[in-house]
Amino acid sequence: GESVGLHLPTLSVQEGDNSIINCAYSNSASDYFIWYKQESGKGPQFIIDIRSNMDKRQGQRVTVLLNKTVKHLSLQIAATQPGDSAVYFCAETPGGSYIPTFGRGTSLIVHP
Amino acid sequence: DTAVSQTPKYLVTQMGNDKSIKCEQNLGHDTMYWYKQDSKKFLKIMFSYNNKELIINETVPNRFSPKSPDKAHLNLHINSLELGDSAVYFCASSHQRDTRTDTQYFGPGTRLTVL
Repeated sequence: GESVGLHLPTLSVQEGDNSIINCAYSNSASDYFIWYKQESGKGPQFIIDIRSNMDKRQGQRVTVLLNKTVKHLSLQIAATQPGDSAVYFCAETPGGSYIPTFGRGTSLIVHP
Repeated sequence: DTAVSQTPKYLVTQMGNDKSIKCEQNLGHDTMYWYKQDSKKFLKIMFSYNNKELIINETVPNRFSPKSPDKAHLNLHINSLELGDSAVYFCASSHQRDTRTDTQYFGPGTRLTVL
């Protein structure tokens, strides 16, 4: 299940399940969004991106959904694997800015 | 064949000391960045350089001074270290400054602990 508290939000799933990680962004002027994966002891790694003129984009086993009306972004991971265990960050880039602003991460734990 | 490398990986030091973290990228990118990640995993941009020129300088104490001797290197010098400087510092690079068209590649991080 998913828990949100003072610590990093955590999503625990079983191997093979689909995972959905949610993100609320703050700036209605943001026109570009990225999901990053950060494994323990490593730097963030680009997974997938989406521009504001789209509402869905698919990659290999991952899908990003964008709902601009409610300023919500989600990352769906199909058939989650233990190697998907990591902290996932969404980032938004406002129009006129070059640099993404990172949101609060979500820890994904995949149980074998 | 590491794309973005940082040294050292771990740095433990006393309050008041001065220390440097080095970053090198072998991707031929023009833009480099320093980020700070706190204990809650919150990741915040500190500086960005494009072709050795400072283009972003967020609200960071002036005890932090970045230096870019060439396009492939961006070092971070910190004077008079404080307890609150304890964090993981990430270097990153991208081909050009607009991350809409150019992916950022992050280094492995330097964990700084100030005692």
